[in-house]
Amino acid sequence: DIQMTQSPSSVSASVGDRVTITCQASQDIRSWLAWYQQKPGKAPKLLIFAASSMESGVPRRFSGSGSGTYFTLTISSLQPEDFATYYCQQTNSFPLTFGGGTKVESK
Amino acid sequence: QVHLVESGGGMVKPGGSLRLSCAASGFIFSDYHMNWVRQVPGKPLEWVAYISPSGTTFHYTDSVEGRFTISRDDAKNSLYLQMNNLRADDTALYYCARAGMTTLIHWFDLWGPGSLVTVSS
Repeated sequence: DIQMTQSPSSVSASVGDRVTITCQASQDIRSWLAWYQQKPGKAPKLLIFAASSMESGVPRRFSGSGSGTYFTLTISSLQPEDFATYYCQQTNSFPLTFGGGTKVESK
Repeated sequence: QVHLVESGGGMVKPGGSLRLSCAASGFIFSDYHMNWVRQVPGKPLEWVAYISPSGTTFHYTDSVEGRFTISRDDAKNSLYLQMNNLRADDTALYYCARAGMTTLIHWFDLWGPGSLVTVSS
């Protein structure tokens, strides 16, 4: 199974900050990576697929990059509605696996 | 409006069974690969099961293999998860999640609100 390791597990940030979350795969997954945002009590929401392609309707302050085993999600200027937990997911092969999550909290 | 809505969750004793359903609307259900994903509250997401549009290809996470069965009824626009021999560590919120229309797309662009399954004596 492909293990997905996210870091940090939590980050404290202020509105306007640039936030970067990393996700490392235990083996090469090419560009088969997705990012999700989840708010308390809600289902996850797809932000990024294929490592860097933005889902329709997602604000442009979100961006994804990387390939192979190392990936990043960047929020260029954190907004109040961005405080949430973020997950990466490898979509390269079954079993599909998620990272442990990164909680973005208010400083 | 495209929607997925799960039902069938509840409390069951260890060793018991439950059948989750997911009703799809607003899109051509038969075209899509479908999945179940679960989440223990406060914990990360865990993919559980996959079924192809034809209903002939399946994948399961190891911990549910042989106990859970994913199926679909395209005439009813519905996805199912039959869960047998339930264990305490199956307790979670179960989400129905839509993937793509091709075998290359295994990210989830549409999720239901979830159905809570509690396994406890």
